[in-house]
Amino acid sequence: DADVTQTPRNRITKTGKRIMLECSQTKGHDRMYWYRQDPGLGLRLIYYSFDVKDINKGEISDGYSVSRQAQAKFSLSLESAIPNQTALYFCATSDSPIQTQYFGPGTRLLVL
Amino acid sequence: SQELEQSPQSLIVQEGKNLTINCTSSKTLYGLYWYKQKYGEGLIFLMMLQKGGEEKSHEKITAKLDEKKQQSSLHITASQPSHAGIYLCGADSGNTPLVFGKGTRLSVIA
Repeated sequence: DADVTQTPRNRITKTGKRIMLECSQTKGHDRMYWYRQDPGLGLRLIYYSFDVKDINKGEISDGYSVSRQAQAKFSLSLESAIPNQTALYFCATSDSPIQTQYFGPGTRLLVL
Repeated sequence: SQELEQSPQSLIVQEGKNLTINCTSSKTLYGLYWYKQKYGEGLIFLMMLQKGGEEKSHEKITAKLDEKKQQSSLHITASQPSHAGIYLCGADSGNTPLVFGKGTRLSVIA
């Protein structure tokens, strides 16, 4: 079984809809991250959490919110999806203080 | 903030040829991480370098961190189709999430 899982793997939604992307990990890591990947722009950090009670904004947090429900779960929400949020979204985890990040398989999101 | 520049942006090589990908940081690196991504899939951790002058190898892939800890190179010997994908470098600048370069897209042709 994969150590970092993301659901759904693919999602098509319409402008204005609220959607949630979920991430679960069995690695026992404290730190979790959400990134988006766009062609030509690389990976950009949306939000990160160093433990259950810690939430931090990343480079591009506008239009997104997160919830750290437990050590193993970190969800990303788009309150009102817009077309420029069409991207590949990745969840990652790492174990403090080691920074090696382990990535989920990604969620491909299309906002029409 | 720290920025990473990767070169080249894309690379097409013939199977069996050697190649090098570079990653240059705007600041001194505490740690440099190399990842590989198959198209549209997740990132796979390859290796991490911390010490100036350090060199690590995994199968036919060798990564080095220069003495000044501001540049790393990834070298693939005798490339194979299985090496195709996007290679990304990530930088550790302290107790903050990794910052990533934009990636180098590698194609290996027969």
